[in-house]
Order: sequence, then structure tokens, then C-alpha cells
Amino acid sequence: AQSVTQPDIHITVSEGASLELRCNYSYGATPYLFWYVQSPGQGLQLLLKYFSGDTLVQGIKGFEAEFKRSQSSFNLRKPSVHWSDAAEYFCAVLGGYNKLIFGAGTRLAVHP
Amino acid sequence: DTGVSQNPRHKITKRGQNVTFRCDPISEHNRLYWYRQTLGQGPEFLTYFQNEAQLEKSRLLSDRFSAERPKGSFSTLEIQRTEQGDSAMYLCASSLAGGTGGTDGYTFGSGTRLTVV
Repeated sequence: AQSVTQPDIHITVSEGASLELRCNYSYGATPYLFWYVQSPGQGLQLLLKYFSGDTLVQGIKGFEAEFKRSQSSFNLRKPSVHWSDAAEYFCAVLGGYNKLIFGAGTRLAVHP
Repeated sequence: DTGVSQNPRHKITKRGQNVTFRCDPISEHNRLYWYRQTLGQGPEFLTYFQNEAQLEKSRLLSDRFSAERPKGSFSTLEIQRTEQGDSAMYLCASSLAGGTGGTDGYTFGSGTRLTVV
């Protein structure tokens, strides 16, 4: 069955520090992978996506993610975190009928 | 077009009452999805429409839930005889079917937060 695991429920980093959010997926074929961000009380905003090609994908707000097939991972990174990045982050894989299968999310807190 | 619109933003209802939510997708999008998100969890797929046809329903969508998309435009999600376990954020998303199968990404609405007391 298709699934997404985000091992870290909550992460706290200092402003200016680097960030890596982990995502592991289970999918039989070549996955289409996404990272979304959700601010409190808001909907989901697409940060970046991977379909094929270059395994390092660039997104909005300075985020990037690397697809590693051998590790079934699609980790999200940012070299220097800003206080405004505090939010919940969801990794997702595209399933049948183009429905998204989400992980449980990682809540990011940023200390000044 | 201002994106995907959902109404109401918040709904508090007594257990046993019926509630209906509305989603207005981006006008040219022919695919529409409903998801449910409970506290501390990622969104879970409920149902999917392509134009007016409801093509898939999750097992999460019990008999008390019904969704419609008349004329392939806006959609409604109705919950009958609400239970406390129905308390959640209900998210709507739309996308355009195309060569990449809509994988250019969904556009999500801000959601309707339902509280059943």
C-alpha cells in the first residue's frame, strides 16, 4: 500500500540554522512526491514537487528537496531558517486518481 | 479568480445535527477533491470528482457523508447525524486534468473547521 512516513513530529531550530525534514515513502512505481506547508488555520501551499529528472528539486521560499530512490526518501532542506518558516510541513505521494497521500506532518518551531 | 473558496470557515454544531459545507473550485479546474484533517494528522482523502462524476470514495466516507458536484462546478459535502468524531478540518482542493494528470499541483482552499459538541 502507498504510504508516507514523517518520522519527526516536532522539530525546533534556531533562526539562521539549517533545516532538514525527513520523509520516507512506500510506493511500487516511480513516485510523484510533494512537500506542502500549512500555517495555522490555513490551507496547504505547495513548496515543491518531484516527478522525474534531476533528483534535487528547488522550491519556493528557499526550500529544496532531494529524491533518493535507494532510501525511499524525499527530505526537505533549507540552509538558513527564518522565523516565518514556523509552520507544519507535509510530505505527500501521488496515488491512484491523482489523490495525494500525506504523511502525518512535522511541526517546525523557530527560536529567535 | 481568487483560488479555491470554502464556506463556512468554521462550523459548530450539536451532535446529531446535519451540516453542509461548500467548495467553489478554480473555475477552469475540472477535478475536485475533499480531504479531512484531524488534529496532529495529515489530510486524508475522502472523495474525488472529475467534472460532475464522483469517481472515487474513501472508506472513511461513511453512509452519513454525501458529496455532490452538480454541473461540475461547486461541490457540497453533507454530514448527517454528526458525531463528535466528525470534528475535523475539511479541505477542498481542485486541479486541472491534463498531460501530467493534474500533477501540476492542487490548489487547496483554507478549509472548514467543524466542531461537534
